[in-house]
Amino acid sequence: ETGVTQTPRHLVMGMTNKKSLKCEQHLGHNAMYWYKQSAKKPLELMFVYSLEERVENNSVPSRFSPECPNSSHLFLHLHTLQPEDSALYLCASSQVGGGDLYGYTFGSGTRLTVV
Amino acid sequence: GESVGLHLPTLSVQEGDNSIINCAYSNSASDYFIWYKQESGKGPQFIIDIRSNMDKRQGQRVTVLLNKTVKHLSLQIAATQPGDSAVYFCAENMYDKVIFGPGTSLSVIP
Repeated sequence: ETGVTQTPRHLVMGMTNKKSLKCEQHLGHNAMYWYKQSAKKPLELMFVYSLEERVENNSVPSRFSPECPNSSHLFLHLHTLQPEDSALYLCASSQVGGGDLYGYTFGSGTRLTVV
Repeated sequence: GESVGLHLPTLSVQEGDNSIINCAYSNSASDYFIWYKQESGKGPQFIIDIRSNMDKRQGQRVTVLLNKTVKHLSLQIAATQPGDSAVYFCAENMYDKVIFGPGTSLSVIP
């Protein structure tokens, strides 16, 4: 357990479904991230929340909708997805600011399959 | 554009041998570098980091070398074990923005 917990671990959904991915961090970090990992591609940054405000949105389609209700929780709401959205969705957290340099702590990811 | 890349997408090594995974980065303003290991079914996990004011850092069986002159980063794994089989990512950090490389898959042959 890394301190970042993602649920569910696996999700199969139809293109007309609505589902949500959940991420929770127990590390006291002040920033949280959603990444998409497709086969043989670099990690793709989707969204960044710092101090509960969305600070980055990397041109992600509107069928992906993030929510960060507090510094420990992050959601990714999914609706009307396409088969090409099938991937591993990774949540990460970090501590930013203060002059220190820290890496990211990742969760184990949600393996999403869109059918 | 700015990028972090890996020279070899796959690497196979014999158990007990040393492994070297390379990474090229293009952003000279990056001040912090990290290596991550991602095992099958898991998220990337921190292995070792190095700041730009250093050229070498050692951990347990792992060493990271940084050559800022040629913008090159490497991860050396000593006495590679089957449990080292994974995908390894390098990442560069600049102004709290992290850029990941595409990853190198390391396979350890028993």
